[in-house]
Amino acid sequence: SAVISQKPSRDICQRGTSLTIQCQVDSQVTMMFWYRQQPGQSLTLIATANQGSEATYESGFVIDKFPISRPNLTFSTLTVSNLSPEDSSIYLCSTGTSGGSVQYFGPGTRLTVT
Amino acid sequence: EDKVVQSPLSLVVHEGDTVTLNCSYEVTNFRSLLWYKQEKKAPTFLFMLTSSGIEKKSGRLSSILDKKELSSILNITATQTGDSAIYLCAVSPMNYGGSQGNLIFGKGTKLSVKP
Repeated sequence: SAVISQKPSRDICQRGTSLTIQCQVDSQVTMMFWYRQQPGQSLTLIATANQGSEATYESGFVIDKFPISRPNLTFSTLTVSNLSPEDSSIYLCSTGTSGGSVQYFGPGTRLTVT
Repeated sequence: EDKVVQSPLSLVVHEGDTVTLNCSYEVTNFRSLLWYKQEKKAPTFLFMLTSSGIEKKSGRLSSILDKKELSSILNITATQTGDSAIYLCAVSPMNYGGSQGNLIFGKGTKLSVKP
């Protein structure tokens, strides 16, 4: 499986600001995903990051709030914009192989909004 | 709406006990069911099940899928304190064209193993 790193590991941000999370994979991958895990809840898919095209967002998530970049097959960023305390969550990126089901997750970013 | 339900939501046992975690699902175009272990932030992959009745086993952990009952169980024998974690069940639906799509996760079972 690919080795995935995320930066930052954690951050505390003020309301109204933005945070950009980076996800780096040690090999080229077709699929990259961004998930959110709110306190006490399970993982919810935010979007699929597509290389060379716009991200595909799930219901309830919009590009203005969660802009995503995927400049190449090993890297993606997720920005959480106009932060509010409700955005306090763990944000996870994951990758998978084309045609496969298994996804492997990065170490996660714990965001606290004050 | 596709959904995954896990039970119990939390469980406290003592070292050496055997535990069974349950996962049921409703999903159109089922492809596979996956189990993950989440200790801090990152879920780590345990098993993927696609065929009914076949047991996947790794050390003290094992899992079986029942496609007729739309459910799966994860068994842990001779539990250790290191097994304390949240165990997540996820279902992968088949997308159009057979390409990989998102995983639909349950809320997880929080297992606490006391010495």
